[in-house]
Amino acid sequence: DVKVTQSSRYLVKRTGEKVFLECVQDMDHENMFWYRQDPGLGLRLIYFSYDVKMKEKGDIPEGYSVSREKKERFSLILESASTNQTSMYLCASSLTGGGSYNEQFFGPGTRLTVL
Amino acid sequence: AQKVTQAQTEISVVEKEDVTLDCVYETRDTTYYLFWYKQPPSGELVFLIRRNSFDEQNEISGRYSWNFQKSTSSFNFTITASQVVDSAVYFCALSDLSGANNLFFGTGTRLTVIP
Repeated sequence: DVKVTQSSRYLVKRTGEKVFLECVQDMDHENMFWYRQDPGLGLRLIYFSYDVKMKEKGDIPEGYSVSREKKERFSLILESASTNQTSMYLCASSLTGGGSYNEQFFGPGTRLTVL
Repeated sequence: AQKVTQAQTEISVVEKEDVTLDCVYETRDTTYYLFWYKQPPSGELVFLIRRNSFDEQNEISGRYSWNFQKSTSSFNFTITASQVVDSAVYFCALSDLSGANNLFFGTGTRLTVIP
């Protein structure tokens, strides 16, 4: 079974703090993703990575950065948290190849509140 | 650009009723993949099905069935004899061939099954 874990289920931070959200997958997947989920907006892609040290911007990268130093770990960083970054953050991973478009496996999510 | 529309924001049904969740998509890609995910109250998205654009056969898995029609750009999901455990938010997603198995998600449909 693919397992994607996220460091925290709930997190409360103050405006201006630097926030790290960690994600680890145990199935040797090449691709990893960070989404945020907001009511009425569905899931929106923040950043993704298709290899170690590689990263690509998604649809809403502003205010975020990422780090992928090891294949199994993908970190999302809020350099200076703001109240509009209060959201549910979901990490996912997927395998590349096989001539198909592979499904993504998701972690349980981190509900971040910025006060 | 990819677009996925789930026009039904919320649906309530009484247990044992059948329910259909609609998904309409837009894409210029000739090859694409469609997905359905379930997000129960625990928060973790669970993969349900993947369908590629060349396979228009309907699929049935237990009480779940999917109807893919390229002519109307729809990929609808039907739950037969609904149960309380089906209560969740359901997301339809479309492959975004910009890379790394990216997915573009609809805004989701919240299904409540009333006992």
